[in-house]
Amino acid sequence: QKEVEQNSGPLSVPEGAIASLNCTYSDRVSQSFFWYRQYSGKSPELIMSIYSNGDKEDGRFTAQLNKASQYVSLLIRDSQPSDSATYLCAVTGNNDMRFGAGTRLTVKP
Amino acid sequence: DAGVIQSPRHEVTEMGQEVTLRCKPISGHNSLFWYRQTMMRGLELLIYFNNNVPIDDSGMPEDRFSAKMPNASFSTLKIQPSEPRDSAVYFCASSLQTSGRETQYFGPGTRLLVL
Repeated sequence: QKEVEQNSGPLSVPEGAIASLNCTYSDRVSQSFFWYRQYSGKSPELIMSIYSNGDKEDGRFTAQLNKASQYVSLLIRDSQPSDSATYLCAVTGNNDMRFGAGTRLTVKP
Repeated sequence: DAGVIQSPRHEVTEMGQEVTLRCKPISGHNSLFWYRQTMMRGLELLIYFNNNVPIDDSGMPEDRFSAKMPNASFSTLKIQPSEPRDSAVYFCASSLQTSGRETQYFGPGTRLLVL
């Protein structure tokens, strides 16, 4: 079983819709959770971090964490074509960070 | 701050040649990470340093790969001899490790093609 799992997609949503990205992890001692966005040919850039159970909102982005279910998600409201990218879920524990394979999101105008 | 700096940005070499990738972390950061990214395997952690000391190199694929961090502002990843399967984008990232909630900041990457 992979340590961090994501649906590879592609996930396609129309402009203005809500995009929902999901991630599960296997290590129960995981402490911190991150969502990175990676445009094609670019490096990953941090969008959100979340450390406690519940929701964390930042603009159009909401991260949700459920440690009991070992599940973290990212919601993007009012999706824009500029949101089209690959979204990487990352989990830290034991002093390192493990990434999921990423979900490719396409927002169609 | 200039962010994480990597060089070269692109490298094309022939199989068997030595390749050296360089990284300058963000000033003040105490942790440095080397990743490899391919379509097939995604983003893989190769090795990371804390306070210039290698902490976990379990991701280094084999003895052909080596990494050093002689000081807080410089690290190298060397592949000798290189093979076509080493072709990938290699990212360096740095963070300020304090509470375990540190964010990693990525450099622009080095695109390596081994012919």
